[in-house]
Amino acid sequence: DAGITQSPRHKVTETGTPVTLRCHQTENHRYMYWYRQDPGHGLRLIHYSYGVKDTDKGEVSDGYSVSRSKTEDFLLTLESATSSQTSVYFCAISLDIAKNIQYFGAGTRLSVL
Amino acid sequence: AQSVTQPDIHITVSEGASLELRCNYSYGATPYLFWYVQSPGQGLQLLLKYFSGDTLVQGIKGFEAEFKRSQSSFNLRKPSVHWSDAAEYFCAVGALTDTGNQFYFGTGTSLTVIP
Repeated sequence: DAGITQSPRHKVTETGTPVTLRCHQTENHRYMYWYRQDPGHGLRLIHYSYGVKDTDKGEVSDGYSVSRSKTEDFLLTLESATSSQTSVYFCAISLDIAKNIQYFGAGTRLSVL
Repeated sequence: AQSVTQPDIHITVSEGASLELRCNYSYGATPYLFWYVQSPGQGLQLLLKYFSGDTLVQGIKGFEAEFKRSQSSFNLRKPSVHWSDAAEYFCAVGALTDTGNQFYFGTGTSLTVIP
């Protein structure tokens, strides 16, 4: 258990509403990641953070923003949710950046209706 | 560009039979390679990893994987499958970037185990 908590675990929302997912870690690690998982696509990186207030885009960042105001929390925001953002979202942390072993949270299942 | 290919979308094996899941990668430098397992409704659990050295690596739950540079492969194996091994398996490559490391995942192989 790498001390990662994702909240909420499940959420149903309507198209056009803002949604924020939270990832909280207790290990004080520098690197944090947000992925989405969809059938036939595996996991795709949305955004990642390499320190407080330091973030960068991943492969599928359009429609998403992130913030990291403190080490332990990494927030993923959908400014205006769309049905194509229905997915399972995973947060990960990296314990060893030199070799980048990533450990994952339990996931958040988001449905946009 | 980095990429990972898992050519088998779904595999069915009998309990007690051997298993091999294929993974091919594309990466310009020496890769860091990983296998993860995901049970239904769960997050991803690290099975094993390769960084350097011995090309045959051992992992948890009796799994092993072999790195073959000439074939750009990192196939996962288990000599005798148990019903509890039914899950989705993901291969990943870690790539160094200017701001850290990124992971690139394959699309996964779903394993069904029949009695």
